[in-house]
Amino acid sequence: EIVLTQSPVTLSLSPGDRATLSCRASQSVDNYLAWYQQKPGQTPRLLIFDATHRATGIPARFSASGSGTDFTLTISSLEPEDFAVYYCQQRSSWPPLTFGGGTKIEIK
Amino acid sequence: EVQLMESGGGLVQPGGSLRLSCAASGFTFSVFGMNWVRQAPGKGLEWISYISPTSMTVNYADSVKGRFSVSRDNAQNSLYLDMNSLRDEDTAVYYCVRQFDNNGHYVPYFQHWGQGALVTVSS
Repeated sequence: EIVLTQSPVTLSLSPGDRATLSCRASQSVDNYLAWYQQKPGQTPRLLIFDATHRATGIPARFSASGSGTDFTLTISSLEPEDFAVYYCQQRSSWPPLTFGGGTKIEIK
Repeated sequence: EVQLMESGGGLVQPGGSLRLSCAASGFTFSVFGMNWVRQAPGKGLEWISYISPTSMTVNYADSVKGRFSVSRDNAQNSLYLDMNSLRDEDTAVYYCVRQFDNNGHYVPYFQHWGQGALVTVSS
């Protein structure tokens, strides 16, 4: 089973700040990684697929990079609606499909 | 518009059984792989099951293997999850989730989510 480790667990930032989130895989997942955003009381939303591709309707302030075992999600300038929990997920080797434990971006 | 609506959640005693249903609409259900993903209260996301479009392939997380069974009825646009031998740690919101459609290439990311069904296992 591929384990995804996200860091930090919590990120305290202000609107307008740049956010950098990390996801590390226990073995290579090539570029088969996605990122999701989940706001309180809502279902997750797919942001990024195959490591670097924004899903339909996702604003350009969200970007992502990485391949192999190390991945990054960057939000260039935080908007109030971006304060949420972010998860990474791999589809390289499954079952099982696995998620990271999540990073919460909170308002500083 | 893609819609997924779960039903069948509720309170059940440890060792009990429950069946979740998911009604799909707004897309051609029979061509998409479907998943169940759960989220325990205040916790992260856990994939628990996948079923291919024709039901030929089914997969489970180790945490539910041998206790849960996924099925689908393409004629009824419905997905099911039969849960047996329920444990306290199965308490979670269970989401019915459709695969991602990357321009006709269907891949196991999670694009469309139902609102979830709460399953509480407690005596």
